[in-house]
Amino acid sequence: EIVLTQSPATLSLSPGERATLSCRASQSISSYLAWYQQKPGQAPRLLIYDASIRAIGIPARFSGSGSGTDFTLTISSLEPEDFAVYYCLQRSNWPPFTFGGGTKVEIK
Amino acid sequence: QVHLVESGGGVVQPGRSLRLSCAASGFTFSSHGMHWVRQAPGKGLEWVALISDDGSHKYYEDSMKGRLTISRDNSKNMLYLQLNSLRPDDTAVYYCATARLVWFGDLEYWGQGTLVTVSS
Repeated sequence: EIVLTQSPATLSLSPGERATLSCRASQSISSYLAWYQQKPGQAPRLLIYDASIRAIGIPARFSGSGSGTDFTLTISSLEPEDFAVYYCLQRSNWPPFTFGGGTKVEIK
Repeated sequence: QVHLVESGGGVVQPGRSLRLSCAASGFTFSSHGMHWVRQAPGKGLEWVALISDDGSHKYYEDSMKGRLTISRDNSKNMLYLQLNSLRPDDTAVYYCATARLVWFGDLEYWGQGTLVTVSS
C-alpha cells in the first residue's frame, strides 16, 4: 500500500500570504496525484488532478507540481475562503486509493 | 450539474447491518465509476470501495473486505453500499463520489455524505 505523508500538519498564515503544502509518497506514483480542499461540515472538493491540472472552476492561485514521490500544492495568495484542510490522494497503485493525513491551513 | 445525495445513515447497534444509498443526477451515471469514502469524526479521509461503470468490477479497502458490498442500479441512477457486522470504529460520514474520466479515476464530484453511528 502506498503511504502519503503530508506536511506540515498545520500551517498558520495570514490572508495574502503564500501557502506551500507538501505530499510525499512512499514509492513513485508518477503524476497520479490529486489535491482536495475540505471546509468544516462540507464534502471535499477536487482542486488539482494529475499533479498539476486545475479542476474546473478552481482559481488560478491554486497550483500543483511534482512527480514521482514529491508533490507540492501552492496557494499563491491566501484568500479568506482558502482556510481549510487539504488532502492529497494517489491513484497510481490501487486498491487501495490512499489519502494523505491532511494539512490544515489556519488563520494566523 | 452533477448532484449526489447519500441516504441511509443513522444510529445502529454493533453487529447490525445498514445499506447506504447514493442518488445521482445531472450526468450520465452509467458511464462513470463510483467510489465510497468515509471520514470518522475529526479524522481524515479513507477510501472504502470502487465500482466500475457497468458494475462488473468491484474493489474494497482490505480491512473492510468481507463486510462490505458495493453495487449499483444504472436503470435507477443509484449506488449502494451494504455494511455488515458493523463495529464502533465504522462510525463515520460516508461519501459517494464520481470517478473522473475513467472508471478507476480520481474522485471528482462528491455528495454531502451520510452519517453512520455505531453504538449500543
